[in-house]
Amino acid sequence: GENVEQHPSTLSVQEGDSAVIKCTYSDSASNYFPWYKQELGKRPQLIIDIRSNVGEKKDQRIAVTLNKTAKHFSLHITETQPEDSAVYFCAAKLQGAQKLVFGQGTRLTINP
Amino acid sequence: DADVTQTPRNRITKTGKRIMLECSQTKGHDRMYWYRQDPGLGLRLIYYSFDVKDINKGEISDGYSVSRQAQAKFSLSLESAIPNQTALYFCATSSTADSPLHFGNGTRLTVT
Repeated sequence: GENVEQHPSTLSVQEGDSAVIKCTYSDSASNYFPWYKQELGKRPQLIIDIRSNVGEKKDQRIAVTLNKTAKHFSLHITETQPEDSAVYFCAAKLQGAQKLVFGQGTRLTINP
Repeated sequence: DADVTQTPRNRITKTGKRIMLECSQTKGHDRMYWYRQDPGLGLRLIYYSFDVKDINKGEISDGYSVSRQAQAKFSLSLESAIPNQTALYFCATSSTADSPLHFGNGTRLTVT
């Protein structure tokens, strides 16, 4: 089955700097890659997703890139702000499968 | 607003007790899921259901059972709780396999 590895487990950056979180997946047949953000004490919420037919997607300060050859995808947050502090989860879904497999999560801290 | 509601929000129980966590949704989604969150392990799927007659095991179903009472209701039961089932439990819904998951607020379960 699919396996998703996420790195780093913790990340601390200065406000205004960029943050990058990377995930690798095991099955080349995966075709859907969402990212979820979980603020302290709250529920995970989708922030961006990408499908295997595109290599990059942007939404304001957030972007996701996908490298199908290397089987990895990354979340990029630019001009970080205190409200970006949260746990971020990547996930992957095999084509034809009915469920997501999540990475282990990254705790991002933005230092003022 | 359409939402996913979990009850209770917090529960403390003793080893060997049977407990039920409940989830209801007003989103009109057919797909419902139960996840478990542990620090450093991400979100792991326990069970999922695509309609009232369809129940599927996830990655970590041992020690758990579920009931899909209606399109809008999906309950998770621990038949005989044990301490390593102490975790944060999330219910989620989605409209299709490739659409975003909508999570409930979570149930924090402690088994002593």
